[in-house]
Parts: sequence; structure tokens; C-alpha cells
Amino acid sequence: QKEVEQNSGPLSVPEGAIASLNCTYSDRGSQSFFWYRQYSGKSPELIMSIYSNGDKEDGRFTAQLNKASQYVSLLIRDSQPSDSATYLCAVGRYGNNRLAFGKGNQVVVIP
Amino acid sequence: DAGITQSPRHKVTETGTPVTLRCHQTENHRYMYWYRQDPGHGLRLIHYSYGVKDTDKGEVSDGYSVSRSKTEDFLLTLESATSSQTSVYFCAISESERGADQFFGPGTRLTVL
Repeated sequence: QKEVEQNSGPLSVPEGAIASLNCTYSDRGSQSFFWYRQYSGKSPELIMSIYSNGDKEDGRFTAQLNKASQYVSLLIRDSQPSDSATYLCAVGRYGNNRLAFGKGNQVVVIP
Repeated sequence: DAGITQSPRHKVTETGTPVTLRCHQTENHRYMYWYRQDPGHGLRLIHYSYGVKDTDKGEVSDGYSVSRSKTEDFLLTLESATSSQTSVYFCAISESERGADQFFGPGTRLTVL
């Protein structure tokens, strides 16, 4: 089993809709969770971090964490064409300086 | 934006030649990382550093070495480049022991012919 899995294929959403991305992880000791956005040809950009169970909202982005089920999700509300990018899930644990990354999910927002 | 630069930004080299990539930061962060990103594999950690002269291997360290003689600089060396090392290389920095909040440099696109 991969350490961090993002299984969904490319996601196409109409402008103004909600985009929903999911990520599962295998290490139960994981304690820090991140979503990065990466535009084509650019470097990953940190958009959300979450450490506790529940929801965390930042603008149009909401991260949801469920440690018992070992998944973390990202919701993008009122999707805009500028949200078209690949979204990377990353997971870390205290005492370990490294992050494990999923392969990413491509989101395409259709005007 | 975090103050991270990478040089060169693009490089084409031939198999068997040595290559050194440089990551420079102005944030005085303790932790620095080198990743490679390839289609179908995502971001994979090559080496990382947790202080001057303190480095450790990541998941794909074979064929790579690193050095960190100053807080601000982290060098990645391919001693003898191979075509399988054609990739986009990203440097990242973090000030947290949790590996959290890593900020990435602009990347170096390396092609080994």
C-alpha cells in the first residue's frame, strides 16, 4: 500500500461548482497534513495545513481530516478557472522531518 | 514568497558527466530538501538536511550526493549523470521539525542525453 494515495483521475468541474479531492494515508502515526497546488510547469505551493480532526476553512478552501478513517480531503467552493491545477496531498509526523506526497489530482475548471 | 532560488533553472548534459544543482535560501530555515518529480511518480525525496553538515538519505538517494556547508546553501550532485536522472528537481525549505510547511523553490529541469 502506498503511503499516501490520491486515487481519483482528472476532475472536471463547471465554474462555480464545488471540487472535492480525497487523500488516504497508511501511517496511523501521521499528525500533520497538507494540500499543495501546482500549476503546470511551476513549483508546488502550500495552500492548506491541518493537524486536528474536523474542518479547517481558508477562503474558498476547506480541508477535512478524519484520523480514525485515515483520510484527508480538500473542498474548493465556487471553483474558478484559476483553480485549474494539480493538487498534491502530503502527510508528515512529529519527530520525522519528512513529508510523504501523493501523486496528485488534476482539477480542470470549465468556464 | 519564501526566499528560495535554484540554479541553474535548466540544464542539458550528457551521460557520465557530473552535475551540481544549487539551492539557496534567505529565510535562515534549518531544514532543506531535494526532491525529484517525474510523471507517474509524484514528488520523491532524494536527500534532506537538518542543519549545517547534517544530511540524510531520502527514498531515491542512489546516484546522488549532497552537501550543506552553510545554512543558506544546499547542493545536490549527480556524480555521473544517467538518462534515468532526467527530471525536474525541486528544493524545499522548512523551519519546523514536523517537516511541516515546506516551501518550494522554482525547480530545475535537468535533461541527461
